[in-house]
Amino acid sequence: DAGVTQSPTHLIKTRGQQVTLRCSPKSGHDTVSWYQQALGQGPQFIFQYYEEEERQRGNFPDRFSGHQFPNYSSELNVNALLLGDSALYLCASSPNPGTGGQDTQYFGPGTRLTVL
Amino acid sequence: RKEVEQDPGPFNVPEGATVAFNCTYSNSASQSFFWYRQDCRKEPKLLMSVYSSGNEDGRFTAQLNRASQYISLLIRDSKLSDSATYLCAVTRYSSASKIIFGSGTRLSIRP
Repeated sequence: DAGVTQSPTHLIKTRGQQVTLRCSPKSGHDTVSWYQQALGQGPQFIFQYYEEEERQRGNFPDRFSGHQFPNYSSELNVNALLLGDSALYLCASSPNPGTGGQDTQYFGPGTRLTVL
Repeated sequence: RKEVEQDPGPFNVPEGATVAFNCTYSNSASQSFFWYRQDCRKEPKLLMSVYSSGNEDGRFTAQLNRASQYISLLIRDSKLSDSATYLCAVTRYSSASKIIFGSGTRLSIRP
């Protein structure tokens, strides 16, 4: 049973560029959440996708956008990169809370983004 | 003020010691509570969910105090392999599983 997978593992971009990160959820999970973890901080919630729609959003600017596909995989896009966007980007999947399951989220290994 | 606060540490304790971490949360609507473990440059991994009655898993014991809005994690007989960052996390069912993390507490176990 494959866990959450993310690609790429590492990425280096320059300021002003755009980046797309990808995530495939754990088998049986249909909800995908994205988090940003800066060095020395806990993960910060970016947004969550369910049924191909953004269900909730954290305190991140519109430069951060996402998408979920019919197979539940998801992309995170960041436009006009800033130095401060350098972080570990984590994808987490979970079953839909409406099914009565625990809010347990399983994290992928992350994509480490460096913006120069 | 952060919604979830933890002492960043680092805690540096000898192998075999007992160590305890506390975490406070500010939103009384918080419903679910967790401890995650994160190794250097790796993803967080769920260590324990924390329930009102508290729970134990081997050397690890987690407690929840709703009245004072804090959760704790106790590690007994610490091992070198327990060295990691421990993240406290809460969710609110009404917010559709958004997890709010603390900044983490670094633990280093020395031989």
